[in-house]
Amino acid sequence: GENVEQHPSTLSVQEGDSAVIKCTYSDSASNYFPWYKQELGKGPQLIIDIRSNVGEKKDQRIAVTLNKTAKHFSLHITETQPEDSAVYFCAASRGYSSASKIIFGSGTRLSIRP
Amino acid sequence: EPEVTQTPSHQVTQMGQEVILRCVPISNHLYFYWYRQILGQKVEFLVSFYNNEISEKSEIFDDQFSVERPDGSNFTLKIRSTKLEDSAMYFCASSEGSLDYEQYFGPGTRLTVT
Repeated sequence: GENVEQHPSTLSVQEGDSAVIKCTYSDSASNYFPWYKQELGKGPQLIIDIRSNVGEKKDQRIAVTLNKTAKHFSLHITETQPEDSAVYFCAASRGYSSASKIIFGSGTRLSIRP
Repeated sequence: EPEVTQTPSHQVTQMGQEVILRCVPISNHLYFYWYRQILGQKVEFLVSFYNNEISEKSEIFDDQFSVERPDGSNFTLKIRSTKLEDSAMYFCASSEGSLDYEQYFGPGTRLTVT
């Protein structure tokens, strides 16, 4: 069935260093890959997404890469700051219609050490 | 910035009781979703809804669950006879449609079944 695996489950980095979270997906028909940040007591907030016709996308300190052949995608956060501490979820969707469900990874709890 | 809102933020109910969770999607959005997150686990898709019909539902969304758009603004999830294992955060999401795959999530309702 459709599944998204995410690693690591927890990640602690020094402020200013980079953080990398990796995911794999199983559904070959997936073509939309959003990343969500969830802070305590809040719903998932989209921080960046990538579609299957693109290999890399960058938005300020955040970048995502996608390898469709290997079914891998990853999130890179550079120059980490304390406010980056949160749970991050990768996700995959077929996206061919706007009613497509999103399949979430299990989440990575990112802690930034001052 | 428009946002998805949900009420109540926390609902406590006894096993076997019916609950209705309410959501107000973003006003020009056409597609609506419910997801749930059991404590410490990944966010799971429950159901998607478009044009007053269910588009897709997961295995979790059995006969005890139903969704409704009773008016032009609200979107509700009803659980007919709650079980202990229904305790979770329930997130509503909406998306605009057309080629915009992005789903915007509400802050969630924490349901506790005792």
